[in-house]
Amino acid sequence: QLQLQESGPGLVKPSETLSLTCTVSGGSISSSSYYWGWIRQPPGKGLEWIGRIYYSGSTFYNPSLRSRVTISVDTSKNQFSLKLSSVTAADTAVYYCARLDSGGWYFDLWGRGTLVTVSS
Amino acid sequence: DIQMTQSPSSLSASVGDRVTLTCRASQSISSYLNWYQQKPGKAPQLLIYAASSLQSGVPSRFSGSGSGTDFTLTISSLQPEDFATYYCQQSYSALMYTFGQGTRLEI
Repeated sequence: QLQLQESGPGLVKPSETLSLTCTVSGGSISSSSYYWGWIRQPPGKGLEWIGRIYYSGSTFYNPSLRSRVTISVDTSKNQFSLKLSSVTAADTAVYYCARLDSGGWYFDLWGRGTLVTVSS
Repeated sequence: DIQMTQSPSSLSASVGDRVTLTCRASQSISSYLNWYQQKPGKAPQLLIYAASSLQSGVPSRFSGSGSGTDFTLTISSLQPEDFATYYCQQSYSALMYTFGQGTRLEI
């Protein structure tokens, strides 16, 4: 059974770079034609899509975050990663990694999420 | 960007009630509309994709309908475990997915 698990620091200082990794277990990240994505949710608020990546490495990002976001994939480790630079308190959120179906239309499998707080 | 607006923002209901949640897109999105359920402290879970297709393992009391700009999620008979927040999400623009602000379903 495929599972996703986010990992990374829970506290990041303002102006620094937030780095998270999503480890895929129970299956290969590159064995099927799925997309992989990141979504975040500020405390008490709604969901915001950050970006997505195909196992080949092609990416699409939310235009509002594009200048600060990098998503990459490491098929040898069965992981994909998120980097968000120049963070502020507004980037404090629960960050989820998720799988999109092969058409890239919907998020059918989610990680549990990890809270990242931006504070000095 | 395509904006998604859900109504109502919150809804009080009782076990056994039939409830309908609404999601409206700022432009036509055909049937590229998905619904998720989120319980406190948990990740969202996919309920409905492509406006009306039931995700595997989701109870049949959940159903979705609509196309173009107006969509609904109906729960035919509320169960205690259904009290949660529900989000719609458009994937018509696969370069910019957007979610609605959510509808909180309360007892």
